[in-house]
Amino acid sequence: AQSVAQPEDQVNVAEGNPLTVKCTYSVSGNPYLFWYVQYPNRGLQFLLKYITGDNLVKGSYGFEAEFNKSQTSFHLKKPSALVSDSALYFCAVRDRTNFNKFYFGSGTKLNVKP
Amino acid sequence: SAVISQKPSRDICQRGTSLTIQCQVDSQVTMMFWYRQQPGQSLTLIATANQGSEATYESGFVIDKFPISRPNLTFSTLTVSNMSPEDSSIYLCSVVLTYNEQFFGPGTRLTVL
Repeated sequence: AQSVAQPEDQVNVAEGNPLTVKCTYSVSGNPYLFWYVQYPNRGLQFLLKYITGDNLVKGSYGFEAEFNKSQTSFHLKKPSALVSDSALYFCAVRDRTNFNKFYFGSGTKLNVKP
Repeated sequence: SAVISQKPSRDICQRGTSLTIQCQVDSQVTMMFWYRQQPGQSLTLIATANQGSEATYESGFVIDKFPISRPNLTFSTLTVSNMSPEDSSIYLCSVVLTYNEQFFGPGTRLTVL
């Protein structure tokens, strides 16, 4: 079965510091991995994806994620956090046998303090 | 990309009643998806809606409770029937375009009293 895990319910970081939001996955075969962000009272917004190719994927708003096959991880990173990055972040994997299905992690609330 | 709108954005309903949520996409898409997101939690797929065929429901969700219509390639509705407080959630519709990118509507926040 496909699944993703986000081990941290909440991540706190000071503005200007680097941030990491963790995600590990469990899939059969090569994964299709995604990060989404949800701001308060808004729907989810696509940030970035890994399908194939370079392990370091760059996305929207200065975010990037590193695909690590040996550690089955896809951590989201940003070199310098902004207060406006404070939101709920979801990691997701797309089922390669049933493309209709995306499995979402439990979400990590990122708090960036001034 | 896709622009998705949902109506209503929020509603407060009495138990035992039904609410129909509308989802409109600005481009034609084969499949539309309906998710439920309970407060502070992750997303759970309710069903996949194809135009011209019956929706496919995930385990734990049934057509009698969550009937779905998909009359054309840009529109879908989800009805939450015979509501109870446990149905209080955010309901999201989404589409997947080429390159695996999934786009979500802004959600409908439902509170059942």
